[in-house]
Amino acid sequence: DTGVSQDPRHKITKRGQNVTFRCDPISEHNRLYWYRQTLGQGPEFLTYFQNEAQLEKSRLLSDRFSAERPKGSFSTLEIQRTEQGDSAMYLCASSLAGPGETYTFGSGTRLTVV
Amino acid sequence: DQQVKQNSPSLSVQEGRISILNCDYTNSMFDYFLWYKKYPAEGPTFLISISSIKDKNEDGRFTVFLNKSAKHLSLHIVPSQPGDSAVYFCAASPSTSGTYKYIFGTGTRLKVLA
Repeated sequence: DTGVSQDPRHKITKRGQNVTFRCDPISEHNRLYWYRQTLGQGPEFLTYFQNEAQLEKSRLLSDRFSAERPKGSFSTLEIQRTEQGDSAMYLCASSLAGPGETYTFGSGTRLTVV
Repeated sequence: DQQVKQNSPSLSVQEGRISILNCDYTNSMFDYFLWYKKYPAEGPTFLISISSIKDKNEDGRFTVFLNKSAKHLSLHIVPSQPGDSAVYFCAASPSTSGTYKYIFGTGTRLKVLA
C-alpha cells in the first residue's frame, strides 16, 4: 500500500470556478477525514466519513463545499464558485476506527484562487 | 476559540541538545493526544501519542509528557538531530465521542542547528 494519495498536488483556479479534489485512502481504513490548513494555522476539521456515510460536517464547510465517498473507497471534495478565501492546503487523512486511532495524512492539495 | 494552543511559533536548538515543544488545551473532555511532524510540501506524519490514563509515553528519542491538571503536554526530543527540523503539531480528541476528531494546534517550527 502506498499510503494516502491526493490528486492534484496543486491547483490554480480563477475565482468563481468549480474545483474537485480526490483522495485515495489506505485500503483497509474505514474512516476518511478532510482538513484544511491555511498559512500559520494547524489543520482544521472539515468533514469525515465512516465507510460511505458522511457522519459530521464542520460549520467551516459552507454550502459551496460538498464531499462524497461512494462505495466507501476514494473520496472527492468539490468547491463550487471558488473564492479567494478558499485558498489553502486541503489535507485528506484516513484511519482505522478503534482505540488509539491515529490518522495517516496524504500530501495535500494546495489550492490557489486568483 | 482555539482549544489547542502552541504558543511558541518557532524554536531553535543545537544539535545534540534537548528540544522541548509545548502544547496547552482548554477542553477538559480531551483525553487522547497526538504529535505530528510536518516537512514542507508533505502531509503531517504521526510521531507519538498519549492517553489521559498515562502521564508519559516514550518512543526512542521522543517522549511526550501529559499534565492533566494543568491541561498541558510537552514533546521532548533527545538528542535533537538536524533531520528533526520540521513543524510540529499537537492534536487532541475526546475519545469518548467515538469519532477521534482531532483538534490541532497552530504548530511550532523547530530548527535544529548543526
